[in-house]
Amino acid sequence: GAGVSQSPSNKVTEKGKDVELRCDPISGHTALYWYRQSLGQGLEFLIYFQGNSAPDKSGLPSDRFSAERTGGSVSTLTIQRTQQEDSAVYLCASSIRQGSNQPQHFGDGTRLSIL
Amino acid sequence: GESVGLHLPTLSVQEGDNSIINCAYSNSASDYFIWYKQESGKGPQFIIDIRSNMDKRQGQRVTVLLNKTVKHLSLQIAATQPGDSAVYFCAENPYNFNKFYFGSGTKLNVKP
Repeated sequence: GAGVSQSPSNKVTEKGKDVELRCDPISGHTALYWYRQSLGQGLEFLIYFQGNSAPDKSGLPSDRFSAERTGGSVSTLTIQRTQQEDSAVYLCASSIRQGSNQPQHFGDGTRLSIL
Repeated sequence: GESVGLHLPTLSVQEGDNSIINCAYSNSASDYFIWYKQESGKGPQFIIDIRSNMDKRQGQRVTVLLNKTVKHLSLQIAATQPGDSAVYFCAENPYNFNKFYFGSGTKLNVKP
């Protein structure tokens, strides 16, 4: 597809379970970002990947959160031992390359609900 | 303007009127700004961007104004339509920095 693709679109799981969220960026985009959006809030930065460089993990809220990007394309965000406060929309964005003056293009997100 | 918390500021306009949405940004080192539109259940959609060496940029029915002196950004939408109803976010990108910082958004409600 032409845009950023995220799956699943919705995920409901029990507290304590692990979840994996997937992001397929726009082809050719080397920069990939994960954000979290709580109800009625702005976007909270989680992690950033650029090519083969070490990711910027400074936004991850705890060590239960981790992310990988394989082959410089698809990324997976993993949340272990989920808590109710993890309930949010998780958004992925990509841009053509690192640096300022590059717009980010977003997927439609994964809506995560922790029971 | 922007605010923090669960209650988004809301701008209600009549269809056909012009809309102005404001944003105060925080970092004087920011040199690139974007306005996004987010409809319910969707991701943010790029509308228009502006670099700090400009104070105005126009797109189709939209204009962004940048006032670096007071760190203020605005989005003007001409002849607002019901399809413009959404939450609008501004985002700032400090020079040579990987991250964007997003405001909490303004909800635009267009009355037919």
